[in-house]
Amino acid sequence: AQSVAQPEDQVNVAEGNPLTVKCTYSVSGNPYLFWYVQYPNRGLQFLLKYITGDNLVKGSYGFEAEFNKSQTSFHLKKPSALVSDSALYFCALGGMNTGFQKLVFGTGTRLLVSP
Amino acid sequence: NAGVTQTPKFQVLKTGQSMTLQCAQDMNHEYMSWYRQDPGMGLRLIHYSVGAGITDQGEVPNGYNVSRSTTEDFPLRLLSAAPSQTSVYFCASSYNPTRQDNEQFFGPGTRLTVL
Repeated sequence: AQSVAQPEDQVNVAEGNPLTVKCTYSVSGNPYLFWYVQYPNRGLQFLLKYITGDNLVKGSYGFEAEFNKSQTSFHLKKPSALVSDSALYFCALGGMNTGFQKLVFGTGTRLLVSP
Repeated sequence: NAGVTQTPKFQVLKTGQSMTLQCAQDMNHEYMSWYRQDPGMGLRLIHYSVGAGITDQGEVPNGYNVSRSTTEDFPLRLLSAAPSQTSVYFCASSYNPTRQDNEQFFGPGTRLTVL
C-alpha cells in the first residue's frame, strides 16, 4: 500500500538556523512527491514537487527538497529559517498509477521558528 | 482570478441535519476534489471529479454525496450529519486529472462542527 510518513509532529528551530522537515514514502513504481504548507486558518499552498530528474528540487520561499530513492525519503530543507516560516507542512505522494490524480498526505509537521 | 473559493467558512450543525458545502473554481480546472483534515491524520480524500458529470469515491466517502454539473462547481452534501463528520473540509482543483505531476490548488476551508 502507498503511504507517506512524517515522523515528527513538530520541529523547533531558531531563526537563521537551517531547518529540515522529514518525509519518507512507500510506493510501488516511481513516486511523484509534493510539499505543501498551511498557514493558520488558510488552505494548503504548493511549495515544490519532485517528478523526475535532479534529486534536489527548489521551490517557493527559499525551500528545497532532496529526493533519495535508496532511503525512500523526500526531506524539506531551508538554509536559513524565518519566523514567518512557522506553519504546518505536509508531504504528499502521487503517481500511483491509479489512472487519475490522487494524493496521499502525511500527517503533517508543525514548524515553529523562534526569534 | 479568485482561485478556489469555499462557503461557508464556519458551520455548526446538529446531528441529523443536512447541508451542502460549496466549492467553486475559476481556473477552468477539470479535476476537483474534497478532503477532510483531522488532527493527527493529515488530509483524506472524500470524493473527486475528473470533469463535469463524472465523480468517484475517495478514501472516506461514507456519509457524503457529490455532483459535478459544471466545470466550475463541486458541492459536497452531508445528508444526515454525524459528530464524526466534525472536521475541516478542503476543496482542491488541478488542471489535468490524468497528469499525476500536477499540483493542486486548495480553497481556504470550511470548519464544520456537528453537535
